[in-house]
Amino acid sequence: NAGVMQNPRHLVRRRGQEARLRCSPMKGHSHVYWYRQLPEEGLKFMVYLQKENIIDESGMPKERFSAEFPKEGPSILRIQQVVRGDSAAYFCASSQTDMSNQPQHFGDGTRLSIL
Amino acid sequence: GNSVTQMEGPVTLSEEAFLTINCTYTATGYPSLFWYVQYPGEGLQLLLKATKADDKGSNKGFEATYRKETTSFHLEKGSVQVSDSAVYFCALDPTSGTYKYIFGTGTRLKVLA
Repeated sequence: NAGVMQNPRHLVRRRGQEARLRCSPMKGHSHVYWYRQLPEEGLKFMVYLQKENIIDESGMPKERFSAEFPKEGPSILRIQQVVRGDSAAYFCASSQTDMSNQPQHFGDGTRLSIL
Repeated sequence: GNSVTQMEGPVTLSEEAFLTINCTYTATGYPSLFWYVQYPGEGLQLLLKATKADDKGSNKGFEATYRKETTSFHLEKGSVQVSDSAVYFCALDPTSGTYKYIFGTGTRLKVLA
């Protein structure tokens, strides 16, 4: 499968635990984006990364959330000390470049549920 | 600022009916426009796109025309099928290189046999 791969598909955590979401971009793509989708809403941009660099994290909450895209391996979105309001679907997208003629391709998402 | 407004759903149609899902946008630059489709339990799939005024994007019988004068990008299909039941998102990339796609809230389509 040459698409954007996200895992796990579903993740259940108790309040106060850590959630770690992984994303492997499409082959040949070096730009990764994370979005959050709350129930019955559209996707909201969180963070944009290139290999080993965070380019724009303006959509990410300042506390408890962090993201990385190491030289080797998948991109990771990490949420520490989760709260009920973190329950959402988190989507990763990737593109070859950040130009409009290279649209973002999305993974199937990770659905995070906080008990 | 930049924004996308979609018609509220759900939209319920009978098979073979004509579909229109309205999308209007506000943008300060020269945006690219997209329609994505999300089937139950899945991620978003790019359905079609248009990168400049008067462009028509089309795919799988769906089409949308980028109309700068009315700032619209309405999605149409002449004859819907049950398998088209999904949530449709209109999205905007404000200008080339901004990468922060702005999504509408989505329109749920239900097609009945």
